[in-house]
Amino acid sequence: EDQVTQSPEALRLQEGESSSLNCSYTVSGLRGLFWYRQDPGKGPEFLFTLYSAGEEKEKERLKATLTKKESFLHITAPKPEDSATYLCAWEERLGPSGGSYIPTFGRGTSLIVHP
Amino acid sequence: KAGVTQTPRYLIKTRGQQVTLSCSPISGHRSVSWYQQTPGQGLQFLFEYFSETQRNKGNFPGRFSGRQFSNSRSEMNVSTLELGDSALYLCASSLSGVSYNEQFFGPGTRLTVL
Repeated sequence: EDQVTQSPEALRLQEGESSSLNCSYTVSGLRGLFWYRQDPGKGPEFLFTLYSAGEEKEKERLKATLTKKESFLHITAPKPEDSATYLCAWEERLGPSGGSYIPTFGRGTSLIVHP
Repeated sequence: KAGVTQTPRYLIKTRGQQVTLSCSPISGHRSVSWYQQTPGQGLQFLFEYFSETQRNKGNFPGRFSGRQFSNSRSEMNVSTLELGDSALYLCASSLSGVSYNEQFFGPGTRLTVL
């Protein structure tokens, strides 16, 4: 059974203290792993898509990486405005041999960056 | 360019009633997906519409339904509301919907069922 786990559930950092969020998966035939950021009371905002092991993508202080078992979202020198919940998502196959996929989201990591 | 809009933003209903939520996607986007977000279950996929056809459906009861119009605007309907339907309902649009890559989410409709 496909499974994805995000850790930690919550993370508190001081401004400038770099860290990483983890999304570990056991998904057969991963078609893409997505990272989103969600601010309280708002819809998620797309950050990155990673398709294959070894792939990396960067955006400002964020860098997403993918291995065969997990994805990391590295946050370098975070600022208070980086505080949000970070969600990873993937496409889950419907049925053992079906050609349809549905988007499935992890429970997220709640990040708070203190000034 | 304008983002995804959802109306209404807040809604209070009582058990047994039905509700219709509306979503206007980004101009040019033909795929619209609906999600339910609760503290207990997180963000869960309801269904996706592309060119007025439902392409995929998540694991929700038949009380949850939707449709898409020729201008790509979409509505979702929940009949016979239950207390557990209280949630933030989000819609997201994307260009083609070949995969669920790079979806743009609206602000959501906060539904409270009393």
